Amino acid sequence: EAQVTQNPRYLITVTGKKLTVTCSQNMNHEYMSWYRQDPGLGLRQIYYSMNVEVTDKGDVPEGYKVSRKEKRNFPLILESPSPNQTSLYFCASSPTTGSSYNEQFFGPGTRLTVL
Amino acid sequence: ILNVEQSPQSLHVQEGDSTNFTCSFPSSNFYALHWYRWETAKSPEALFVMTLNGDEKKKGRISATLNTKEGYSYLYIKGSQPEDSATYLCAFRDLYGNNRLAFGKGNQVVVIP
Repeated sequence: EAQVTQNPRYLITVTGKKLTVTCSQNMNHEYMSWYRQDPGLGLRQIYYSMNVEVTDKGDVPEGYKVSRKEKRNFPLILESPSPNQTSLYFCASSPTTGSSYNEQFFGPGTRLTVL
Repeated sequence: ILNVEQSPQSLHVQEGDSTNFTCSFPSSNFYALHWYRWETAKSPEALFVMTLNGDEKKKGRISATLNTKEGYSYLYIKGSQPEDSATYLCAFRDLYGNNRLAFGKGNQVVVIP
């Protein structure tokens, strides 16, 4: 089944404790992206990647890191989480060619709470 | 940051009624306009990707139109059903965005049985 998976789905952590949210897609998509969803603010892009070893900042990158060592994986790293990073996080991927060009496929979301 | 506005923010619709809502986006450097449907506790799913001025797309009872010259798209739901209750997101991509999408805040639709 074609899908985007994220782990963990739910996480409660404390300020300053490094964490990684994994994202993996099995559709051979070139493009991958991380978003955060906060009430009243809509989906805001954190980082994106056009292909392996190519990453770039989105609109709200502060406090986050990413890597793209393999095409299928795009982990989101919070080196020192803070309470303002409490949010719902979505990973998404999309092809850059073909009939579903640019249509984004979303993972199930990760609800993160930083105390 | 590209400005994408959706209105109204939320609406309640009686079952069987039709409804529509608006997405406004920059009218310059247009590349594509996406609509996604997002049900509570699920992830957003693509409804339409629209690229041509005057485009009209349909999926079941849901349809969308696109006006790139004036920078707006309408989403219509005909004969609303409770399963149409969801947040509908539009997202704009410009010519220089590297596949990036700028999302609006969504239109939250509640269909009342």
